[in-house]
Amino acid sequence: QVQLVGSGGGVVQPGRSVRLSCAASGFTFNNYGMHWVRQAPGKGLEWVAVIWYDGSNAYYADSVKGRFTISRDNSKNTLHLQMNTLRAEDTAVYYCVRALRYFDWVLEYWGQGILVTVSS
Amino acid sequence: QTVVTQEPSFSVSPGGTVTLTCGLSSGSVSTNYYPTWYQQSPGQAPRTLIYSTNTRSSGVPDRFSGSILGNKAALTITGAQADDESDYYCVLYVGNGISVFGGGTKLTVL
Repeated sequence: QVQLVGSGGGVVQPGRSVRLSCAASGFTFNNYGMHWVRQAPGKGLEWVAVIWYDGSNAYYADSVKGRFTISRDNSKNTLHLQMNTLRAEDTAVYYCVRALRYFDWVLEYWGQGILVTVSS
Repeated sequence: QTVVTQEPSFSVSPGGTVTLTCGLSSGSVSTNYYPTWYQQSPGQAPRTLIYSTNTRSSGVPDRFSGSILGNKAALTITGAQADDESDYYCVLYVGNGISVFGGGTKLTVL
């Protein structure tokens, strides 16, 4: 049974940093690309970043490029999102999403989400 | 900048059929965009319904189907039920690792 369990959220001051983690189980983690998707309160879904199954490539939405870094530790079955220089508009629920096997760009299986609130 | 368009809202009668669409502000959607559809109920994580245009995700009833209609991707729900009342999102892969979500469609069943 696929499980994606997020951690690391909370209230963060503007300009500060936070690191989200997503612990994966129930599948062979290093066979799948992984994404982060966010949803601001009352708003729609916004794709944030993807990392290929082997960590060889990572891509970002323009809104977070240069501030956020996606990474993975295939030895620990864990995905990370390092979020720096946070802004109020980064306030959202962040979802860890597993891609489709062999198609790293297709978002398939969703975790439960991590709330990040950027506020002073 | 790529903009993915969806109807903001739609309504369908119980037992009826509805088709939601997913387009591009410029250009046509094709299978090369791997259109994927999600259903989201309030307070819940999204659930994948259809991926890569027309493949149903595991456990999704065959009342949900995906296709390309004209220059857009489409999600068709046949025999709508009360618990189909949700927000529906599409996402398109626009290349170079980048995906873009549509703004979502709020479906009402009444």
